[in-house]
Amino acid sequence: EDQVTQSPEALRLQEGESSSLNCSYTVSGLRGLFWYRQDPGKGPEFLFTLYSAGEEKEKERLKATLTKKESFLHITAPKPEDSATYLCAVQNQGGKLIFGQGTELSVKP
Amino acid sequence: KAGVTQTPRYLIKTRGQQVTLSCSPISGHRSVSWYQQTPGQGLQFLFEYFSETQRNKGNFPGRFSGRQFSNSRSEMNVSTLELGDSALYLCASRREANTGELFFGEGSRLTVL
Repeated sequence: EDQVTQSPEALRLQEGESSSLNCSYTVSGLRGLFWYRQDPGKGPEFLFTLYSAGEEKEKERLKATLTKKESFLHITAPKPEDSATYLCAVQNQGGKLIFGQGTELSVKP
Repeated sequence: KAGVTQTPRYLIKTRGQQVTLSCSPISGHRSVSWYQQTPGQGLQFLFEYFSETQRNKGNFPGRFSGRQFSNSRSEMNVSTLELGDSALYLCASRREANTGELFFGEGSRLTVL
């Protein structure tokens, strides 16, 4: 069964304290791994797509990496405005996106 | 470029009633997917439509249905509402079915009393 597990469930950081979020997955034929950011009461906002192991993508303070079994979202020197829930999803052979439960990130000034 | 638009944003219903939610995709996107989001279950896939045809379906009962029109706009309907149907219903669009990233709307918050 296709499955996505994100850890930790919640993460509290001080402003400027770098860290990483993990997304482990099992999927029948990975056709893409996606990272989203979701603010309270809003829909998820697309961040990155990764397609193959070794691939990396960067956007401002965020960097996503992919291996054959997991992906990491690295946050460098975070700011309070980076506080949000970060969602990971994998696309299987059938085209369906399966989402993890998310990591709730809180960055304190 | 306008994003995905969902209406209504908030609604309150009582058990046994039915509800219809609407979604307008990003211009040029022909695929529309629907998700249910709850604190306990996270984002759960309902179905995906492309060219007015359902291409993928999640594990929800038949009370949940949807359709897509020729202009790619989509509606989903939930009949005989139950308390457990209270959730944020999210619509997402992408250019083609079965591939590529999804772009989400702000969601419709349904409360069932």
